[in-house]
Amino acid sequence: ENQVEHSPHFLGPQQGDVASMSCTYSVSRFNNLQWYRQNTGMGPKHLLSMYSAGYEKQKGRLNATLLKNGSSLYITAVQPEDSATYFCAASNTGNQFYFGTGTSLTVIP
Amino acid sequence: DGGITQSPKYLFRKEGQNVTLSCEQNLNHDAMYWYRQDPGQGLRLIYYSQIVNDFQKGDIAEGYSVSREKKESFPLTVTSAQKNPTAFYLCASTRSAGGYNEQFFGPGTRLTVL
Repeated sequence: ENQVEHSPHFLGPQQGDVASMSCTYSVSRFNNLQWYRQNTGMGPKHLLSMYSAGYEKQKGRLNATLLKNGSSLYITAVQPEDSATYFCAASNTGNQFYFGTGTSLTVIP
Repeated sequence: DGGITQSPKYLFRKEGQNVTLSCEQNLNHDAMYWYRQDPGQGLRLIYYSQIVNDFQKGDIAEGYSVSREKKESFPLTVTSAQKNPTAFYLCASTRSAGGYNEQFFGPGTRLTVL
């Protein structure tokens, strides 16, 4: 069964801290892993994509690493506007996407 | 601006009624998707279409139907056979060429069955 799991489910850092979250995946015919952010009541927005184990990507205050069967996402110097739910999604070569339940981030001012 | 539109944003229906959710994209993307999201849950795939006039079932297709007569449009019908249709429905699209396949999502439709 294809599945994606997140850890932790909830995160509550202080403003200015580093938020750290991760996901593990088990997807046949794996193609790439993506991170998305979703604000309440809206559609998710793509943050970044990674394609092979050992791949690292930085985008602004976001830093992500792709490991074998997992990924970590770090947000440095978190701000209240970073509060959202963060999902990772593993896609396969058939262009299907598998999403986890996400990590809900609430930044404490 | 390019993007995906979904309508309506909120939809109410009585039990036993079919209802159709609209999804339109002007991104010239080949592939389109429908997901269902329940409170505190991830996205579950209902149907997807890689090309016009072709679509495949996702993990939770029972009680739903779709059509793909135009590249820009991928409407979803929630039938009376769907036992628990109250949920947040998200439409997405992606380019299917190569490995670059980030998903672009619409704003969603919140369906409530009364």
